Amino acid sequence: AQSVTQLGSHVSVSEGALVLLRCNYSSSVPPYLFWYVQYPNQGLQLLLKYTSAATLVKGINGFEAEFKKSETSFHLTKPSAHMSDAAEYFCAVSRIQGAQKLVFGQGTRLTINP
Amino acid sequence: DGGITQSPKYLFRKEGQNVTLSCEQNLNHDAMYWYRQDPGQGLRLIYYSQIVNDFQKGDIAEGYSVSREKKESFPLTVTSAQKNPTAFYLCASGTGTVNTEAFFGQGTRLTVV
Repeated sequence: AQSVTQLGSHVSVSEGALVLLRCNYSSSVPPYLFWYVQYPNQGLQLLLKYTSAATLVKGINGFEAEFKKSETSFHLTKPSAHMSDAAEYFCAVSRIQGAQKLVFGQGTRLTINP
Repeated sequence: DGGITQSPKYLFRKEGQNVTLSCEQNLNHDAMYWYRQDPGQGLRLIYYSQIVNDFQKGDIAEGYSVSREKKESFPLTVTSAQKNPTAFYLCASGTGTVNTEAFFGQGTRLTVV
């Protein structure tokens, strides 16, 4: 069964510093992976997705993620953090067991220090 | 504008009552989903539907019920059998194919009073 694990429930960085949010997946078949962002009391917005076309995926708001099969990872990065990046981030894997559905990690809350 | 509309945004329920959360989409998506979000637990799948008049239990379906009479609508009822209903509920829709994302509504925060 497909699953994802996000390492670190809370990450804090300074404004302008590198953002690194970690996600490892478990899947017996080639996975389809997604990163979503959630601002307080709102729904989820797609940042980017990996669907096997390219291992380095660029998303919105300057974020990108690299799929590494050997490490079963799909970490999210941004070179320079901005105050507006403060939010909760979720990694998800697409699971098929009779029907396609997304399985989410526990989430990582990102705090940006001025 | 195309999207997913959840209503109400905030909902209060007395113990022993059933309440229904609304979810409507105009994206012409076949698949619709209900997730429950609790702090530190990510999103957990309650029910999903791949087509009209058909739906399947997710990982935490006990105490919940759904219907899918129209393609656009997928209401969720939280019954009195759900012992801990206070949570943030998110509705989503998608094409239902494995390499595509789900689109989310703005959520309904349910509180038991």
